[in-house]
Amino acid sequence: DSGVTQTPKHLITATGQRVTLRCSPRSGDLSVYWYQQSLDQGLQFLIQYYNGEERAKGNILERFSAQQFPDLHSELNLSSLELGDSALYFCASSKFGGGAYEQYFGPGTRLTVT
Amino acid sequence: DAKTTQPNSMESNEEEPVHLPCNHSTISGTDYIHWYRQLPSQGPEYVIHGLTSNVNNRMASLAIAEDRKSSTLILHRATLRDAAVYYCILRDVGSSNTGKLIFGQGTTLQVKP
Repeated sequence: DSGVTQTPKHLITATGQRVTLRCSPRSGDLSVYWYQQSLDQGLQFLIQYYNGEERAKGNILERFSAQQFPDLHSELNLSSLELGDSALYFCASSKFGGGAYEQYFGPGTRLTVT
Repeated sequence: DAKTTQPNSMESNEEEPVHLPCNHSTISGTDYIHWYRQLPSQGPEYVIHGLTSNVNNRMASLAIAEDRKSSTLILHRATLRDAAVYYCILRDVGSSNTGKLIFGQGTTLQVKP
């Protein structure tokens, strides 16, 4: 158990809908990362937050947004969903935001868009 | 971020040591070498990281070449539970670094009983 929790575990929804994925980081970790894993793209970095502020953006679509709240939990919002958004979404946390710190990953949320 | 090259797949027998290689010929002086693994149906898991010296922890050892252009992750006694995709990732700890992980294809390790 990494200490990172993600809810829900599975999500099935229809095209055009909007969903929210939630992540609680390990106790004491200030930085949260979101990654997407699909069969054809592998693991891709989406976005990072550090202590409530956006730190870095990767291959995140404009239809997707995220935020980190004062209690440090984070939410990833996916809207106008398309079939191609079906993937595993992982959240990870680290103590600080830099590259010297290991990241701990949650179990993921499996999103299926039908 | 500097690029790494790993074999697509490797096989090992249970209870034998496994050496997983990684080439990173364009590594910079501020790049840490990180290893993560992903077991089937799970999220990635941190394994080990180092800068210049060899490193050991309860999971594995990391051997870094003197010129830092390659490294090897060593699992001392492979178990069936070690079957996973292993990722070698360089992370710049310079001031501009954000800490994001850039995953390549990794090495799929198969462990035979």
